[in-house]
Amino acid sequence: EAQVTQNPRYLITVTGKKLTVTCSQNMNHEYMSWYRQDPGLGLRQIYYSMNVEVTDKGDVPEGYKVSRKEKRNFPLILESPSPNQTSLYFCASGGGWETQYFGPGTRLLVL
Amino acid sequence: QKEVEQNSGPLSVPEGAIASLNCTYSDRGSQSFFWYRQYSGKSPELIMFIYSNGDKEDGRFTAQLNKASQYVSLLIRDSQPSDSATYLCAGEDNQGGKLIFGQGTELSVKP
Repeated sequence: EAQVTQNPRYLITVTGKKLTVTCSQNMNHEYMSWYRQDPGLGLRQIYYSMNVEVTDKGDVPEGYKVSRKEKRNFPLILESPSPNQTSLYFCASGGGWETQYFGPGTRLLVL
Repeated sequence: QKEVEQNSGPLSVPEGAIASLNCTYSDRGSQSFFWYRQYSGKSPELIMFIYSNGDKEDGRFTAQLNKASQYVSLLIRDSQPSDSATYLCAGEDNQGGKLIFGQGTELSVKP
């Protein structure tokens, strides 16, 4: 089954404690991306990757890091989380915009 | 800042009516536009995309694009309660690699 998986699905953490949200896709897609979704603000792109070892900033990259060492994985790293990073995070992958699939989402609460 | 604007709604229509969802965008260079549907608690899923001026029909859905007016719309004919969801409009940043989303319009179809 073609899918994008994210882990964990839910996470409660404290300010400053480093965390990683994993994202994996099994569709051999070149493109992967991370978004955050907040009420009233819609989906905002954090980082994206056009291919392995190629990443670029989206609209809200501050406080986040990513890496793309292999095609299937695109982890999102929060080195020092803060409460304003409390949000719903989506990973997506696609062979083109017409085939962009979203993962199930990770709900993060930073205390 | 490039923007995509949508009325947040909620938009309420009776079952069987036509639902009209609208979106405007600021980046005159954007060429590609997408409509995603997001059920409550779920991830967005792509339902329509449009690249050319005019109408594009797919079943009960029609996407309309007017580049001169920088306006995109989605019509849902014979609306069903199962169409109740939030609809997200997105445009490709003309620099490539990024999708810019609107805030989403919540649609409620009443039986």
